[in-house]
Amino acid sequence: KQEVTQIPAALSVPEGENLVLNCSFTDSAIYNLQWFRQDPGKGLTSLLLIQSSQREQTSGRLNASLDKSSGRSTLYIAASQPGDSATYLCAAITDSWGKLQFGAGTQVVVTP
Amino acid sequence: GAGVSQSPSNKVTEKGKDVELRCDPISGHTALYWYRQSLGQGLEFLIYFQGNSAPDKSGLPSDRFSAERTGGSVSTLTIQRTQQEDSAVYLCASSPGQGSSYEQYFGPGTRLTVT
Repeated sequence: KQEVTQIPAALSVPEGENLVLNCSFTDSAIYNLQWFRQDPGKGLTSLLLIQSSQREQTSGRLNASLDKSSGRSTLYIAASQPGDSATYLCAAITDSWGKLQFGAGTQVVVTP
Repeated sequence: GAGVSQSPSNKVTEKGKDVELRCDPISGHTALYWYRQSLGQGLEFLIYFQGNSAPDKSGLPSDRFSAERTGGSVSTLTIQRTQQEDSAVYLCASSPGQGSSYEQYFGPGTRLTVT
């Protein structure tokens, strides 16, 4: 069974610092990997979807890498801002239907 | 454009009652997913629809849970004889195509509290 782990569980950084969020998965036979952001009491906002054939995906200040062979994905957020404070979740897509297997998330606080 | 909507946003019910949760996907999205987010279990997959059929129901925790989708659009998740362990946030997501290549777009969720 696929297990998705996110370390650390919580992270606090000063504004302007780069954020590095880690995601690992036990079964390298994933289809794709998706990163989400969740604000308190809200649903999930999709940030990036990395296809299994890609090694990275970029959107603005966000860059996500995927290394299937080592079972890892990393989300980089450049020049963090207080508005980046949220919980970040990664999810491995584990079958052809698109079923998501989520990690527990990393709670990020960016202090002004 | 309009995103995924869910109703009600909050539902408090007594143990043993039935509840219905509704999801309106993004117009034109053929795939629809239900997930559950609870403190002890994190985010768990419940069921997947492609059109009106549900090829994957593997995440439904018991036979008290059922879901349907009509007209390839609106979906309803029904929980019969609710238990306290059913308390969670129920999230719906839709995507524009079948399968793993498409991003899933989530609704705001329904917070269910069973007293």
